[in-house]
Amino acid sequence: EVQLVETGGGLIQPGGSLRLSCAASGLSVSSNYMTWVRQAPGRGLEWVSLIYGGITTNYADSVRGRFTVSIDISNNTFYLQMNNLRVDDTAVYYCTREMAARRLDPWGPGTLVTVSS
Amino acid sequence: DIQMTQSPSSVSASVGDRVTITCRASQGVNTWVAWYQQKPGKAPKLLIYAAYSLQNGVPSRFSGRGSGTDFTLTINNLQPEDFATYYCQQAHSFPRTFGPGTKVHIK
Repeated sequence: EVQLVETGGGLIQPGGSLRLSCAASGLSVSSNYMTWVRQAPGRGLEWVSLIYGGITTNYADSVRGRFTVSIDISNNTFYLQMNNLRVDDTAVYYCTREMAARRLDPWGPGTLVTVSS
Repeated sequence: DIQMTQSPSSVSASVGDRVTITCRASQGVNTWVAWYQQKPGKAPKLLIYAAYSLQNGVPSRFSGRGSGTDFTLTINNLQPEDFATYYCQQAHSFPRTFGPGTKVHIK
């Protein structure tokens, strides 16, 4: 069974840094398009970033230059390093995979990041 | 970036009804549109991909249509478990973008 699980969320002050992890089972993070999507409280879904092969990356304008996505092949995990966090980065962060026909499946249960002083 | 809009933003319906949700892209996206269902406190669930392909395990009362800029998601014979929020998403270009969502309420 393919499964994704996020960890690393929590409360952080504005300007701080946090690293989210997404542990994968049943798929290889190095050969899939691994994706982060977030959802602010009471709001819709926002695509954040994607990494493929550990090299190809893409970011939403709202996070480019502050967030960095990476993978660890040995742990079959991919990460979202979030720097210079802002209050409007507060959201549940989901990891998912963009698979054949560019569909997002499966999804992890999400991890909550709260940016507040 | 490609902007996705959805209408209506919310709809009230009864069990057994047919509900149609419309999604429009700000520029042509071929058939690179997917639809997701989300229930409160849960991760989104893939329903439809490539505009009209039904994801494995999703009931056939869900269907998708469209190409270019205009897309629809139709739910026939609405069931109690279908009351949720539905999002369209374009996968034509980066950054990927989602519509604002349509909440399906119980009438």
